[in-house]
Amino acid sequence: QKEVEQDPGPLSVPEGAIVSLNCTYSNSAFQYFMWYRQYSRKGPELLMYTYSSGNKEDGRFTAQVDKSSKYISLFIRDSQPSDSATYLCAMEVQGAQKLVFGQGTRLTINP
Amino acid sequence: DAEITQSPRHKITETGRQVTLACHQTWNHNNMFWYRQDLGHGLRLIHYSYGVQDTNKGEVSDGYSVSRSNTEDLPLTLESAASSQTSVYFCASSETSNQPQHFGDGTRLSIL
Repeated sequence: QKEVEQDPGPLSVPEGAIVSLNCTYSNSAFQYFMWYRQYSRKGPELLMYTYSSGNKEDGRFTAQVDKSSKYISLFIRDSQPSDSATYLCAMEVQGAQKLVFGQGTRLTINP
Repeated sequence: DAEITQSPRHKITETGRQVTLACHQTWNHNNMFWYRQDLGHGLRLIHYSYGVQDTNKGEVSDGYSVSRSNTEDLPLTLESAASSQTSVYFCASSETSNQPQHFGDGTRLSIL
């Protein structure tokens, strides 16, 4: 079993929809959680970074962490065609200096 | 602006050849990482370094090596390229533990 599980999709939704992307993990020592966005033929870029349970909001993006259920989510409100990309979750143990990534979910927003 | 650059962006080579991929960062970060990205596997860690003269093996290190002679550069060498090493390679850096990693735009390597 992988330490971090992420549904690879692909996921296709109409413009304006609310998108929910999810990852589950098995290692309860993970303390830091990130979401990266990766456009085609580009490197991953950091979208959200959090280290506590609960919600963190940044514009149309909300990251949610539930450590008791070992589950993290990324919500995208009012989705735009420019949000079409692969979204990777990543997490890290305190002091580990190494990220563990999910497989990535390919998302397409249709105009 | 600080950045991380990889070169070349694309490379085609033959099996058995030695190949070196370059990674250069101007963030002055201590930590540098090499990943490969393949369909169905996501990002897998090849090697990483926490500072000059420090190198460590990741989960898929066989057939690869790195050296860190300065803060800015971490070249990745494929000693004898194999077709199974055809992939997209990403370099990343971070300031310290539990800080986000910044990625380059990758090198697409094809081994024929």
